[in-house]
Amino acid sequence: QSVLTQPPSVSGAPGQRVTISCTGSTSNIGAGYDVHWYQHLPGTAPKLLIYTNINRPSGVPDRFSGSKSGTSASLAITGLQAEDEADYYCQSYDSGLSGAVFGGGTKLTVL
Amino acid sequence: QLQLQESGPGLVKPSETLSLTCTVSGGSISSSNYYWAWIRQPPGKGLEWIGTVYYTGTTYYNPSLKSRVTMSVDTSKNQFSLNLSSVTAADTAVYYCARHRGSNSWPVDYWGLGTLVTVSP
Repeated sequence: QSVLTQPPSVSGAPGQRVTISCTGSTSNIGAGYDVHWYQHLPGTAPKLLIYTNINRPSGVPDRFSGSKSGTSASLAITGLQAEDEADYYCQSYDSGLSGAVFGGGTKLTVL
Repeated sequence: QLQLQESGPGLVKPSETLSLTCTVSGGSISSSNYYWAWIRQPPGKGLEWIGTVYYTGTTYYNPSLKSRVTMSVDTSKNQFSLNLSSVTAADTAVYYCARHRGSNSWPVDYWGLGTLVTVSP
């Protein structure tokens, strides 16, 4: 049972827009802690996709965007491409655990 | 370009201690404001933070694993290590070493490729 809750899977056709939610609580996202998103392809290292809620590292396409409100955050992907098929994880900090917490991950399927 | 590489046994017997080392290249483990972590992913499951160490030796552990985890850093070798004692099959996972900032809820900007550790007799 992950501290942050994500839908197990989402899907969309090429060119479409999908969103992935990440729900926390008052000890993590709701306490004002930032949310980060990672893209993980099987057999590779996870890649930082969005940091501090809305920022993209250099090289990440602007098709990827993040938002945060209250105890939740979301990752949006527009103009879906086949190469976006991967697992996506949200991450934040939890004051009760005094450490990093992750979501359970969401598998994105490009139809 | 910073690189992290995990090393250690791929097979550990139940009740024994899992020991892994992460070698950092392309940068100094003694960099201010950067922390060094172990994160794992059991088969078919999500990511779990195990713990974090700063180059001074200060450690932070996941409370669910704290009684079994020891992390250390060797600045002379640019390495940090993980020891997880009394392992069971539930500790079978891909173990990643990683770097994160000490602020802004610890975003992880560099990861190792991961190493699979199987706990089996």
